Amino acid sequence: TQLLEQSPQFLSIQEGENLTVYCNSSSVFSSLQWYRQEPGEGPVLLVTVVTGGEVKKLKRLTFQFGDARKDSSLHITAAQPGDTGLYLCAGPADSGGSNYKLTFGKGTLLTVNP
Amino acid sequence: DAGITQSPRHKVTETGTPVTLRCHQTENHRYMYWYRQDPGHGLRLIHYSYGVKDTDKGEVSDGYSVSRSKTEDFLLTLESATSSQTSVYFCAISDRASGNEQFFGPGTRLTVL
Repeated sequence: TQLLEQSPQFLSIQEGENLTVYCNSSSVFSSLQWYRQEPGEGPVLLVTVVTGGEVKKLKRLTFQFGDARKDSSLHITAAQPGDTGLYLCAGPADSGGSNYKLTFGKGTLLTVNP
Repeated sequence: DAGITQSPRHKVTETGTPVTLRCHQTENHRYMYWYRQDPGHGLRLIHYSYGVKDTDKGEVSDGYSVSRSKTEDFLLTLESATSSQTSVYFCAISDRASGNEQFFGPGTRLTVL
């Protein structure tokens, strides 16, 4: 199983600040996904990136897939309390194998204080 | 929102008792998954199903079994619950073999005393 490392593990910031969280691997991934999980709920998909160097924007969130497809980042501009949650990256569990199994990073727990 | 429900949502049980968790979907998705989520470990795959009666093990399958007799239902059974199985359990579904997006249920919080 391919492994994903996320950093930082915890992040606490004030409303209005910018932040970046990272998802790294020593393996090449055909695609990576980012999920957000709010307390007491299941994860919800935010975005899928599939092309090396790809940048996708979702309102104040910007996702980037590394050129070598081994890493990804999530940048949030002007964070709001509603952005609070656990951010998880995920990718296919088996290199060259089927893509219906995912491996997840351990996540970054973001707290945005008013 | 994808139609996924889990039952029960909360359960407290004693060591050594069998426990069954149910995942029900109304999306007719082919793939179904059971994960457990623990602090410091993230989401870990227990078992998954790629069709009716077709299941396979994930990375933390010891002590768990699953069954899928209908497309819409995926059951997770703890044969003899242990305290180490105290966790939050999530069911997920998906319907594409590539670029796989998974939709998650609301979770079941299980406490084994």
